[in-house]
Amino acid sequence: GQNIDQPTEMTATEGAIVQINCTYQTSGFNGLFWYQQHAGEAPTFLSYNVLDGLEEKGRFSSFLSRSKGYSYLLLKELQMKDSASYLCAVSRGNQGGKLIFGQGTELSVKP
Amino acid sequence: DTAVSQTPKYLVTQMGNDKSIKCEQNLGHDTMYWYKQDSKKFLKIMFSYNNKELIINETVPNRFSPKSPDKAHLNLHINSLELGDSAVYFCASSLGRTTGELFFGEGSRLTVL
Repeated sequence: GQNIDQPTEMTATEGAIVQINCTYQTSGFNGLFWYQQHAGEAPTFLSYNVLDGLEEKGRFSSFLSRSKGYSYLLLKELQMKDSASYLCAVSRGNQGGKLIFGQGTELSVKP
Repeated sequence: DTAVSQTPKYLVTQMGNDKSIKCEQNLGHDTMYWYKQDSKKFLKIMFSYNNKELIINETVPNRFSPKSPDKAHLNLHINSLELGDSAVYFCASSLGRTTGELFFGEGSRLTVL
């Protein structure tokens, strides 16, 4: 079967750094995705990892360890607008768009 | 300007009714999806079409029937609505069937009374 775990909620302070972890168990792993979803809005693509290592994109970075079934999303210089749900998702085989999502981590950024 | 648009955004209906949600994308993508997000916020794939061909059909009751008249449109028809169908339904599109970089619509919130 497939299993994706991430913390349900986290709180951080404006200007700080926060790391959101995600562990997964799946067969035929193809890639690991992070999406951001503000309340009442559409999920939006943030990052994609297929190989081990760190992918950096501005204030956001994502890390993957395939051998450990582990990823994290790192958000730097937190802003109030970063308060949102962060969804970890995996794809399998050649069905890249068939994403299996975790429950999401609700991040609250406080002043 | 809207890349992936869905209508209606809100739908309130009685049990047993039939309803449809429509989706259109102007990104030139060839693959479209329906995802369902339940009250616990889990996003689960339901269907996917690539160039009008059904390529993903998850374990979904056959009361749900997708239709793709062309690669820019994907509709979802639901028969005999049940309370458990209440959810937010998201349409999405992608360039190619192997990428997980999806562009989601704003969602259609369905409430079944």
